[in-house]
Amino acid sequence: DAKTTQPPSMDCAEGRAANLPCNHSTISGNEYVYWYRQIHSQGPQYIIHGLKNNETNEMASLIITEDRKSSTLILPHATLRDTAVYYCMNAGGTSYGKLTFGQGTILTVHP
Amino acid sequence: DAGVTQSPTHLIKTRGQQVTLRCSPISGHKSVSWYQQVLGQGPQFIFQYYEKEERGRGNFPDRFSARQFPNYSSELNVNALLLGDSALYLCASSSGTGVTGNTIYFGEGSWLTVV
Repeated sequence: DAKTTQPPSMDCAEGRAANLPCNHSTISGNEYVYWYRQIHSQGPQYIIHGLKNNETNEMASLIITEDRKSSTLILPHATLRDTAVYYCMNAGGTSYGKLTFGQGTILTVHP
Repeated sequence: DAGVTQSPTHLIKTRGQQVTLRCSPISGHKSVSWYQQVLGQGPQFIFQYYEKEERGRGNFPDRFSARQFPNYSSELNVNALLLGDSALYLCASSSGTGVTGNTIYFGEGSWLTVV
């Protein structure tokens, strides 16, 4: 199973950028980097995904290093509603829709 | 457009009973996956179905089964319920089989409590 490593928790001040790191040491060439978040008792919410280029959407930016062994999710202006567990994963190829969730990072945004 | 819908949202069953959970994918999505999330842990992959065929299976016992219907909706069945089956069961849908490039969307889940 594809494994990723994330810090267990992070704090961020409201209005500041939140930068969440992830190590993808076992990522293979045809796997994408995915980020999801989960607010307590709700289903995981898709944030962003990418292969090797940096990506940006209305929610966040994704920075992937050149060797693809690590990525950073950036929430440019964190709000209290961004407090959640953030999961990074690498998936694709023959995994047939299987996402392997780790323990994630608990991001707490405080006033 | 409606997202992934699941039913029921909450249910309580007794050990040894059977349960059926239902999922309707996003319109146009042909792939449905099921995940189990025990309290305090990340979701764990159970099954994926595409075009009514099983395309992936996680490390779960044979008590767990699923199927996909011609309209791409899906059911997850769990027989002989154990206390350890108490969890949030999540359904996810996507347009294709492999994850490559596909966005996978999750429903809000069905909370199962086994007593």
